[in-house]
Amino acid sequence: KQEVTQIPAALSVPEGENLVLNCSFTDSAIYNLQWFRQDPGKGLTSLLLIQSSQREQTSGRLNASLDKSSGRSTLYIAASQPGDSATYLCAVSRGGGSQGNLIFGKGTKLSVKP
Amino acid sequence: EAGVTQSPTHLIKTRGQQATLRCSPISGHTSVYWYQQALGLGLQFLLWYDEGEERNRGNFPPRFSGRQFPNYSSELNVNALELEDSALYLCASSLGLILNEQFFGPGTRLTVL
Repeated sequence: KQEVTQIPAALSVPEGENLVLNCSFTDSAIYNLQWFRQDPGKGLTSLLLIQSSQREQTSGRLNASLDKSSGRSTLYIAASQPGDSATYLCAVSRGGGSQGNLIFGKGTKLSVKP
Repeated sequence: EAGVTQSPTHLIKTRGQQATLRCSPISGHTSVYWYQQALGLGLQFLLWYDEGEERNRGNFPPRFSGRQFPNYSSELNVNALELEDSALYLCASSLGLILNEQFFGPGTRLTVL
């Protein structure tokens, strides 16, 4: 059974700092991995999608890497801003057939202090 | 381009009643997923519909059911509501099986009293 773990559960940093959020999964047979952000009481915003054949994806100040063999992904946020404060969720999919649903970690709650 | 929409935004019911939640996917998307986010439990997969058929369901009792209509919109029905059904219900859509990138709606907050 696939399990997704995110460390740390919460993180507080001063504005401007570069930071790394970690995600690990127990079954390396994944189709893709998605990073999301969720603001309190709101839906999820997709940040980055990494296909299983890819090693990393970049969007603006965000960079996500994937190491399938070790069951790990990291989300790097450069020059953090107070507007980055949110919960960041990592999710994996086995894809295809009947395995299309996402399996989520419990998230890392990020607070960026001005 | 319009994103995934969900209605209602909030829903208050009492124990034993039935709740119906609705979702409209992004135009062109054929797959709709339902997830439950209960306090302290994280996001749990409920149901997946693609091309009008149920493709997979999570570890939830049969009183959680749904359907997908010919226009790919979907509804989630929860019968015999229990207090622990109180949660944020999120709908997501994707183009189908190929890329499977999922885009989420704003959610329906269900409160069971």
